[in-house]
Amino acid sequence: QSALTQPASVSGSPGQSITISCTGTSSDVGGYNYVSWYQQHPGRAPKVMIYDVSNRPLGVSNRFSGSKSGNTASLTISGLQAEDEADYYCSSYTSSSTRVFGGGTKLTVL
Amino acid sequence: QVQLVESGGGVVQPGRSLRLSCAASGFTFSSYGIHWVRQAPGKGLEWVAVISYDGSDKYYADSVKGRFTISRDNSKNTLYLQMNSLRAEDTAVYYCAKDALGLLYFQHWGQGTLVTVSS
Repeated sequence: QSALTQPASVSGSPGQSITISCTGTSSDVGGYNYVSWYQQHPGRAPKVMIYDVSNRPLGVSNRFSGSKSGNTASLTISGLQAEDEADYYCSSYTSSSTRVFGGGTKLTVL
Repeated sequence: QVQLVESGGGVVQPGRSLRLSCAASGFTFSSYGIHWVRQAPGKGLEWVAVISYDGSDKYYADSVKGRFTISRDNSKNTLYLQMNSLRAEDTAVYYCAKDALGLLYFQHWGQGTLVTVSS
């Protein structure tokens, strides 16, 4: 049950696009289309932004998009806004019927 | 609206036990799998355990297997986490999180309850 691998931090200026990667194995990310992404502001509970690799829940901005290639999933945020500054976590279903999170990525909007 | 409210956190000595509760409302509790997820201070999210809608299936992270037990009472719309043999590394905010129906992601989260394991 090793954590998925995410970059510790990413940054971008308002209006730019950024991408956060999430690398796992064939037993989790690569084996299922059950990757989800969560946004967490300080002191708050996480909020789902993307599920099933690329689906957006109702109410989530279309500036957020997801994709997957092999054992690596990605979250892209376009048109960066100050309010996007937060921690982002990926998560995947696993072959053991458990879940696993990535280590988290701190997004800084410059 | 969906509400998940955790309780039972506090300060406990190493080796002792604690039971967390998660009271649910605003949805048909007995239809959903529910998870416990924790977050150590200043650290990332760690999945802890899940229980199926009817309590028949339970899965645990290796870090808590054999020490923690997840359970539910569908008549009381409540989820539990019995934590035994607590260690300093179990110190964290514990969230309960509800799956989306028929899907495998955490659709709703509670606000969390802090557990501190310290002598």
